[in-house]
Amino acid sequence: NAGVTQTPKFQVLKTGQSMTLQCAQDMNHEYMSWYRQDPGMGLRLIHYSVGAGITDQGEVPNGYNVSRSTTEDFPLRLLSAAPSQTSVYFCASSYLRAPEAFFGQGTRLTVV
Amino acid sequence: SQQGEEDPQALSIQEGENATMNCSYKTSINNLQWYRQNSGRGLVHLILIRSNEREKHSGRLRVTLDTSKKSSSLLITASRAADTASYFCATTGTASKLTFGTGTRLQVTL
Repeated sequence: NAGVTQTPKFQVLKTGQSMTLQCAQDMNHEYMSWYRQDPGMGLRLIHYSVGAGITDQGEVPNGYNVSRSTTEDFPLRLLSAAPSQTSVYFCASSYLRAPEAFFGQGTRLTVV
Repeated sequence: SQQGEEDPQALSIQEGENATMNCSYKTSINNLQWYRQNSGRGLVHLILIRSNEREKHSGRLRVTLDTSKKSSSLLITASRAADTASYFCATTGTASKLTFGTGTRLQVTL
């Protein structure tokens, strides 16, 4: 079973560049979300979606865009990368009525 | 802002000992979950306790919840080297939105 798949696993960007982090799940989960994890700060919610066509902001949305055109995919776009966006990014999914989340393996992003 | 704070930040024990970590949170919740994260990997769900439950067991895991004190504890009994990981509590309020604590790093030595 694939579960939640994130690509790429590692990425180095230059300041000002844009890129898309991919996330796909094969469990037909309605809810998908993106988190960033920084040392000593746990995971912070960036954006989330409760279904195709519906997205909303989390705790730290600035500098990021998302879209949800299908149930399976929830890409995260960095519009103009900044060194402050250096972090590990995790995508997660779950059923709306069962909040146990399944996580991808993460994308380690470095912005120089 | 973080919903939960975990205590201790780091814990080092020997194999066979019990490990207890605590989580405090700030607002009303529907349920509280615990997750494990091995170094460099994604989080794995361990156990969920609902707001109307006080204690729950799963294998070597025991979770308690005290909603009056807004706190929870995770007990891992008879720890093994493979339990070495970071442990996070996460609360759920609205829908499935999770708010994580800062985590406890557990080191189990042989």
